[in-house]
Amino acid sequence: DFVMTQSPDSLAVSLGERATMNCTSSQSVLYNSINKNYLAWYQQKPGQPPKLLIYWASTRESGVPDRFSGSGSGTDFTLTINSLQAEDVAVYYCQQYYNTPVSFGQGTKLEIK
Amino acid sequence: EVQLVESGGGLVQPGGSLRLSCAASGFTFSNYAMSWVRQAPGKGLEWVSTITGTGSDTFYADSVKGRFTISRDNSKNTLYLQMNSLRGEDTAIYYCAKAPAPRYYFPNWGQGTLVTVSS
Repeated sequence: DFVMTQSPDSLAVSLGERATMNCTSSQSVLYNSINKNYLAWYQQKPGQPPKLLIYWASTRESGVPDRFSGSGSGTDFTLTINSLQAEDVAVYYCQQYYNTPVSFGQGTKLEIK
Repeated sequence: EVQLVESGGGLVQPGGSLRLSCAASGFTFSNYAMSWVRQAPGKGLEWVSTITGTGSDTFYADSVKGRFTISRDNSKNTLYLQMNSLRGEDTAIYYCAKAPAPRYYFPNWGQGTLVTVSS
């Protein structure tokens, strides 16, 4: 099974600054034949279901502000939030869908400093 | 607009059974794989089970294999999760989620239904 590890577990960033969080997979999620990374990012606010932000490691879901961006390939990925807004306070999860069972990281909790 | 509405959660004793439902609307239900993902109180997300659009193939997490059964009724646009031999560690919010295929990301989620296993 693929193990997804996120770092840090929690992060405090000032409003207007950049937040960066990482996700590492125990195995590569890059499907070489189509050059796609099977990696997604979700945002979950308290009392709400997860919301898809990014898929294929760097493709932003429709309606997601462009201050959210994803990068990385193979086993190492990054979610960056530029110009942090108060409404970005949430827990962020990465997910690999390269293999069954699909699996999630443990989450990174983002707070305002 | 895609809507996924879970129901059937509640309090059940260890060893008991429960059946969850997820009513879907706003898309052609039979064209999509459907999954259950759960979240224990204060914890992260755990994939539970997936069923293909036709219902011909099912997949389970090791933690629920042999105890849970996923199924769907495409004529009713409804997804089910039959949960037997429930344990305390099954206590969680259970979300249904839609995806184009079994190995995929989840663009759409329901609001979830809480299952509490306790005596």
